[in-house]
Amino acid sequence: DAGVTQSPTHLIKTRGQHVTLRCSPISGHKSVSWYQQVLGQGPQFIFQYYEKEERGRGNFPDRFSARQFPNYSSELNVNALLLGDSALYLCASSFPAGELFFGEGSRLTVL
Amino acid sequence: TQLLEQSPQFLSIQEGENLTVYCNSSSVFSSLQWYRQEPGEGPVLLVTVVTGGEVKKLKRLTFQFGDARKDSSLHITAAQPGDTGLYLCAGAARGSARQLTFGSGTQLTVLP
Repeated sequence: DAGVTQSPTHLIKTRGQHVTLRCSPISGHKSVSWYQQVLGQGPQFIFQYYEKEERGRGNFPDRFSARQFPNYSSELNVNALLLGDSALYLCASSFPAGELFFGEGSRLTVL
Repeated sequence: TQLLEQSPQFLSIQEGENLTVYCNSSSVFSSLQWYRQEPGEGPVLLVTVVTGGEVKKLKRLTFQFGDARKDSSLHITAAQPGDTGLYLCAGAARGSARQLTFGSGTQLTVLP
């Protein structure tokens, strides 16, 4: 079975631009969570979606937004990119009360 | 805001040595998880501890949850080069099992 897949794996943007990151959960998983991992730190919770509804939001500015589609895939959008947004963005999927399975992440570099 | 502090941040040891990684917080968590992350990959769950005082063993790894559910430790016996990686603890508050608070991680290097 395919694991959590994320795209793109690497991307470079400049300050002020916008980025969209995509995540396909493991088949049957209806919950998707997004985390930001800055180099040298642990992941930080951004959003959780379940059945296409936002179920939780971390301490991130409104420049960060997300959505979940009917097929349970998800997008994370970041507007007006700042240098500090450079990080590995991780998507994780799960059953409602089960283990989180993480994808390999999207490495974003903002110049 | 719940915070998890991990120590040490970096650990380099010789093959065969034992080590302990600590994860501490002033907050109570309903459960605590330990993950291992390798370069270019996402974290992979090692164990979940739920009950205060709980001890779980996974081969040479022993995990303990503090009695007050505020701290945890990971002990590795006879470390091997394959144990090299970033070890992360993560706590879940009650009702927020999918919204984890991660520690800053312990980068372990086991030298042959």
